[in-house]
Amino acid sequence: SQTIHQWPATLVQPVGSPLSLECTVEGTSNPNLYWYRQAAGRGLQLLFYSIGIDQISSEVPQNLSASRPQDRQFILSSKKLLLSDSGFYLCAWRVGQGTEAFFGQGTRLTVV
Amino acid sequence: AQSVAQPEDQVNVAEGNPLTVKCTYSVSGNPYLFWYVQYPNRGLQFLLKYITGDNLVKGSYGFEAEFNKSQTSFHLKKPSALVSDSALYFCAVRANSNTGGFKTIFGAGTRLFVKA
Repeated sequence: SQTIHQWPATLVQPVGSPLSLECTVEGTSNPNLYWYRQAAGRGLQLLFYSIGIDQISSEVPQNLSASRPQDRQFILSSKKLLLSDSGFYLCAWRVGQGTEAFFGQGTRLTVV
Repeated sequence: AQSVAQPEDQVNVAEGNPLTVKCTYSVSGNPYLFWYVQYPNRGLQFLLKYITGDNLVKGSYGFEAEFNKSQTSFHLKKPSALVSDSALYFCAVRANSNTGGFKTIFGAGTRLFVKA
């Protein structure tokens, strides 16, 4: 069966420090991968999505970047965190056109 | 523009009563619609989807949703609410992406409170 792993679950980082959040999917091939941010426990904002290795699309300009070095690995990064980067980050995957997305457990990032 | 609207920030219902969480959408072509539920500090869990066929879709935990093309709505329903249904609910629609693939657009979410 397919599973998605996202870590760490929580992270507290100082302003100006780098960031690396990792997401891996098991049990499927060539998934579409997504990074979302959820602020204040409400709506989800799509940050990045990827349809294949090294194919990344950015939805909104921001202080973050994403990479997909392997088929089932999706990494969210920042060189210098801002206070406004705090939030709940969710990784998701889907396969196929009409299928639902499956989400990781999320990472709560607090920038102090 | 492709979008999803959940007009209610919060829905309050008594346990045992029916519940409805509203969703309307705007998308080009035939809509692929989804409902997800989120419990505190957790990822989203898939509840149900509409792609084609019967307008009434049944999903997990006794939830169902009705697709109404003329009203561009996809309201989530349950005949008898449970306290454990209290959570944050998201409506979502598949949308075209600039790269030729698809992405999911989520509504802002509706917080459901079920009172015992």
